[in-house]
Amino acid sequence: AQSVTQLDSQVPVFEEAPVELRCNYSSSVSVYLFWYVQYPNQGLQLLLKYLSGSTLVKGINGFEAEFNKSQTSFHLRKPSVHISDTAEYFCAVSVGNNQGGKLIFGQGTELSVKP
Amino acid sequence: GAGVSQSPSNKVTEKGKDVELRCDPISGHTALYWYRQSLGQGLEFLIYFQGNSAPDKSGLPSDRFSAERTGGSVSTLTIQRTQQEDSAVYLCASSLTRSKEQYFGPGTRLTVT
Repeated sequence: AQSVTQLDSQVPVFEEAPVELRCNYSSSVSVYLFWYVQYPNQGLQLLLKYLSGSTLVKGINGFEAEFNKSQTSFHLRKPSVHISDTAEYFCAVSVGNNQGGKLIFGQGTELSVKP
Repeated sequence: GAGVSQSPSNKVTEKGKDVELRCDPISGHTALYWYRQSLGQGLEFLIYFQGNSAPDKSGLPSDRFSAERTGGSVSTLTIQRTQQEDSAVYLCASSLTRSKEQYFGPGTRLTVT
């Protein structure tokens, strides 16, 4: 069975500092990987996705992530965070075409950006 | 263009009552998903519709939960005889095809008293 582990439940960071939110997944088949962001009292917004091709993917709001198949990781990074990046971030995996595309989510990482 | 919409945004109901939650997917999206978000369980898949295929109901927690999708568009999630543990935010998502990125609605916050 597939699973997703987000290694940090909370990440506090100062404004303009770099940040990395860690995500590891387990799957024996090919996967599609996603990061979503959830602002307070809102739904999930897609940040970026890895479907195939280049292992370094760029998303919205200056975020990027790198797919590492050997380490089964998909860590999210941003070189300089803003106060407005304060939100909860979810890593998710969708397992191939034959699996229907349903998403398995990690438990979320709460990013708190302080001035 | 218009995103995924859900109604109501908030629903408070008494234990034992039935509730219906509605989802309008993005026009042209063939796949529709329901998820539940709760403090204890995080984000959980409930059910998935793809075109005219039989839905994948593997995530439904009990037979009190059911969903339908009419005309390949609007979907309704029904919870019968609600229990306090059903309190959660119910999220709907749609995607162009079943293996592409999903776009989420704002959710319905269900509170069972």
